[in-house]
Amino acid sequence: EVQLVETGGGLVQPGKSLKLTCATSGFTFSDAWMDWVRQSPEKQLEWVAQIKDISNNYAAYYAESVEGRFTISRDDSKSSVYLQMNSLKEEDTAIYYCTYYGNYYFDYWGQGVMVTVSS
Amino acid sequence: DTVLTQSPALAVSPGERVSISCRASEGVNSYMHWYQQKPGQQPKLLIYKASKVASGVPARFSGSGSGTDFTLTIDPVEADDTATYFCQQSWNDPLTFGSGTKLEIK
Repeated sequence: EVQLVETGGGLVQPGKSLKLTCATSGFTFSDAWMDWVRQSPEKQLEWVAQIKDISNNYAAYYAESVEGRFTISRDDSKSSVYLQMNSLKEEDTAIYYCTYYGNYYFDYWGQGVMVTVSS
Repeated sequence: DTVLTQSPALAVSPGERVSISCRASEGVNSYMHWYQQKPGQQPKLLIYKASKVASGVPARFSGSGSGTDFTLTIDPVEADDTATYFCQQSWNDPLTFGSGTKLEIK
């Protein structure tokens, strides 16, 4: 059974940092492309970041709204993917989902973790 | 960015057929996918590449379309189908989602 479990969310002040972790199991993580997708309080879904596998040199891509502030990374030995979020803004407030990007679609989703940016 | 436009909400009775539309601002070939999100849960893949039904999804769900116009059909609708349905394209960068169609079962 595929499992994706996000941790690390919480309440943080604007300008501060937070790191999300997604622990996975049930599939060959080292071959997987992994993404973060967020859902705003208004329920809009937004793709945030993607990291490819070692055969693609772990290439990483970002939404324009987070480019330069967020960093996606992975540890294949731990079957985990991370999202380092710096210089957080109130508009980053959302539920953050870890996803397994299959053949051009989001095959599996974690349960999500809430990030609230507020003073 | 490719904008995906969905109707905000629909209400149907159990046993009826419902079609949920998604229109893209530019062509996405057949790289349109559909997700179901029930209250308090994460989205779940229903249909990928316009018409392929994901594993474990009931045959009541089907998808069609190509280019810019796509449709998710549920026939017949059941009470458990109460949810918000999102379309998502992966042909153009960046990946984008529609704003969702909230389906109410009367």
